[in-house]
Amino acid sequence: DAGVTQSPTHLIKTRGQQVTLRCSPKSGHDTVSWYQQALGQGPQFIFQYYEEEERQRGNFPDRFSGHQFPNYSSELNVNALLLGDSALYLCASSSGTGGWGYQYFGPGTRLTVT
Amino acid sequence: AQKITQTQPGMFVQEKEAVTLDCTYDTSDPSYGLFWYKQPSSGEMIFLIYQGSYDQQNATEGRYSLNFQKARKSANLVISASQLGDSAMYFCAMREATRGTGANNLFFGTGTRLTVIP
Repeated sequence: DAGVTQSPTHLIKTRGQQVTLRCSPKSGHDTVSWYQQALGQGPQFIFQYYEEEERQRGNFPDRFSGHQFPNYSSELNVNALLLGDSALYLCASSSGTGGWGYQYFGPGTRLTVT
Repeated sequence: AQKITQTQPGMFVQEKEAVTLDCTYDTSDPSYGLFWYKQPSSGEMIFLIYQGSYDQQNATEGRYSLNFQKARKSANLVISASQLGDSAMYFCAMREATRGTGANNLFFGTGTRLTVIP
């Protein structure tokens, strides 16, 4: 049973560029959440997708956008990258009524903005 | 106000001893869930244990137990018989029943770095 997978593992981008991160949920899960974890901090909720729609959003600017596909996989897009966007981006999947099940995390994508 | 507070930036424990990692939370929602995750240096968040706000008994999962004191809004993680492989960051997190949206995002604390000494 494959767990949550994320790609790429590491990414280096230049300020002002755009980036797309990908996540495949654990088998049987239909809800995907994205978190940003800055160095030395706990993860911060970005947004959650369910049934291909954004269900809830954290306190992140519109530069952060996402998408969920019919197979439940998801993408996180960040436009106009800033140095402060450098972080570990974690994807978590869950299931159950309204996605109330436990969230299982992927290994993350480490983004460095120079 | 912070929803999750972890006041111990770092903790040391001797191998085979027990250790308690502190976590306090703040919510006005009567229905919520509390989680502990372990994050090794590889970065992946590993789910350890869950406690629901209506659960009458403290949760246990193998060597992990959660000391849930609802009136004090405290959800401390106890690790018994520490092993070298327990060295990692530990995060406490809370999920509130977000009415209307069905969303279940987690609020995390700042974490505690546990080091197990041989």
